[in-house]
Amino acid sequence: AQKVTQAQTEISVVEKEDVTLDCVYETRDTTYYLFWYKQPPSGELVFLIRRNSFDEQNEISGRYSWNFQKSTSSFNFTITASQVVDSAVYFCALSEAISFGNEKLTFGTGTRLTIIP
Amino acid sequence: EAEVAQSPRYKITEKSQAVAFWCDPISGHATLYWYRQILGQGPELLVQFQDESVVDDSQLPKDRFSAERLKGVDSTLKIQPAELGDSAMYLCASSLQGPYGYTFGSGTRLTVV
Repeated sequence: AQKVTQAQTEISVVEKEDVTLDCVYETRDTTYYLFWYKQPPSGELVFLIRRNSFDEQNEISGRYSWNFQKSTSSFNFTITASQVVDSAVYFCALSEAISFGNEKLTFGTGTRLTIIP
Repeated sequence: EAEVAQSPRYKITEKSQAVAFWCDPISGHATLYWYRQILGQGPELLVQFQDESVVDDSQLPKDRFSAERLKGVDSTLKIQPAELGDSAMYLCASSLQGPYGYTFGSGTRLTVV
């Protein structure tokens, strides 16, 4: 069975500090996808990134960066120079193929990030 | 930008009443998912459709929950009778194929009193 662990339940940092959200996953599949979503207080899930298991290159998008390491089954997310608008709950998720073309996402329990002005 | 539409946004219902949620996926997305998110937890899959067929409903409490996607486009999730433990966010998602284009709607926040 697939599993995603986000050990950090809550994190608070002062604005402009860098912060890293940890994600550790378990899967027996050789092909899989990892996701990060942001959930602001309004409740919708905002897609941030999708990464497949064959692409271990780190990715940077503005102030966001992701570090994928298959050796440690981790897919960590770093926000540089944090801003108040980054305050939200962040979820890491792992896709599991139910059948061809059909994927189920297994989510972690989320990390609540609070940026203090 | 294309969106997954869900309604209502909020719903308050009394215990033992029936309640229904509606979802309209992104046009062209054959796969539709219903997830339930209990407060403080990550979303969990309830049911998945490929066109009008159910692909996975192993986590759907079938004694009280039902889901349909009659024409392979929009979908309805129903709970009857609602219980206090059903209070949660119900999220609909659709995808083009597999993990590609996986998009969530804004959700329906259900409170059972």
